[in-house]
Amino acid sequence: DSGVTQTPKHLITATGQRVTLRCSPRSGDLSVYWYQQSLDQGLQFLIQYYNGEERAKGNILERFSAQQFPDLHSELNLSSLELGDSALYFCASSPDFASQYFGPGTRLTVL
Amino acid sequence: EDQVTQSPEALRLQEGESSSLNCSYTVSGLRGLFWYRQDPGKGPEFLFTLYSAGEEKEKERLKATLTKKESFLHITAPKPEDSATYLCAVQVRSNDYKLSFGAGTTVTVRA
Repeated sequence: DSGVTQTPKHLITATGQRVTLRCSPRSGDLSVYWYQQSLDQGLQFLIQYYNGEERAKGNILERFSAQQFPDLHSELNLSSLELGDSALYFCASSPDFASQYFGPGTRLTVL
Repeated sequence: EDQVTQSPEALRLQEGESSSLNCSYTVSGLRGLFWYRQDPGKGPEFLFTLYSAGEEKEKERLKATLTKKESFLHITAPKPEDSATYLCAVQVRSNDYKLSFGAGTTVTVRA
């Protein structure tokens, strides 16, 4: 158990819908990272937050957005969902910008 | 663009049969190289961070080494519970701290 929690574990929705994924980092970690893992793309960095502020962006679609709240939990919002958005979404947290500890993930299925 | 290539894609071992996994990288400036273990449907589990050529780290039957162009993960006398996908990731010297992952090596250890 890494100490990072993610909810929900599974999410099934339809194309065009909007969903919110939630992440609670390890106690004391200020950095939160979001990654997407699909069969054809592997693990891809989406976005990073540090102490409530956006720090870095990767290949994140404009339909996707995220935020980190004062209690340090983070949410990833995915809108206008497409079939290709089906993937595992992982959150990771880090105490020192180095080692990143991953949560159990949210499996998103878009039908 | 940063590139991380892992080989082989898959490795089937007999219990007790030692072997090595390779991670070759091409980056503009390496801050750190990371090894993770991932079980099916689970989040990546942090194993090691290596920072400079010549560095080695060990954990149980696993030993990671680093050169200027590649890293090796040696599995000594593996057991069936070592079956997993092993992911290599690099972090470069930049303003962000994202991890760029390789595609992974799936290791299967037969009893």
